[in-house]
Amino acid sequence: AQRVTQPEKLLSVFKGAPVELKCNYSYSGSPELFWYVQYSRQRLQLLLRHISRESIKGFTADLNKGETSFHLKKPFAQEEDSAMYYCALGGSQGNLIFGKGTKLSVKP
Amino acid sequence: EAGVVQSPRYKIIEKKQPVAFWCNPISGHNTLYWYLQNLGQGPELLIRYENEEAVDDSQLPKDRFSAERLKGVDSTLKIQPAELGDSAVYLCASRKGGSSYNEQFFGPGTRLTVL
Repeated sequence: AQRVTQPEKLLSVFKGAPVELKCNYSYSGSPELFWYVQYSRQRLQLLLRHISRESIKGFTADLNKGETSFHLKKPFAQEEDSAMYYCALGGSQGNLIFGKGTKLSVKP
Repeated sequence: EAGVVQSPRYKIIEKKQPVAFWCNPISGHNTLYWYLQNLGQGPELLIRYENEEAVDDSQLPKDRFSAERLKGVDSTLKIQPAELGDSAVYLCASRKGGSSYNEQFFGPGTRLTVL
């Protein structure tokens, strides 16, 4: 079965602290993984995808096929990073399978 | 470039009433999706269109939900009759045809409240 698990509903850190949002997936084959972010009162938008191996707003995510994980990391959290973060798996049918999301709260 | 447009943004109806949501995808995007997002959950696919053809509607509750994309551009999602459990955010997303990746662009959503 294709599935995405985000174990933390809420993650609260202080400004300047490192942050790691966990994502594990279940998929047979080569996965296509994404992180989407939704800031307050804004639409869901793509943050980054594993295929491009880029850093966006200081965030990075590495695909670990052995651990079936795609954790999102940032070394120094900023208050403006506070948002809902969704890990998503590109399914075999051309759709996206989302995790339940993690709310990141960065305190001053 | 305009993003995905959805209307209305909010809708409050009484149970058993009909309701319709409209979506205009990004110009040139052949693939259109409707997702349902319940409170505290991630979006879940309801239906996917490739141009005007519904290619995946396996998760659409067909007894009360229907959708159309007549000219392969705009799409409408309808619920008739609505039930209390239908209260949620309905998201529309689009994707450029022929894209190697599953990157999708989302609209702002329609928040439905059924009383």
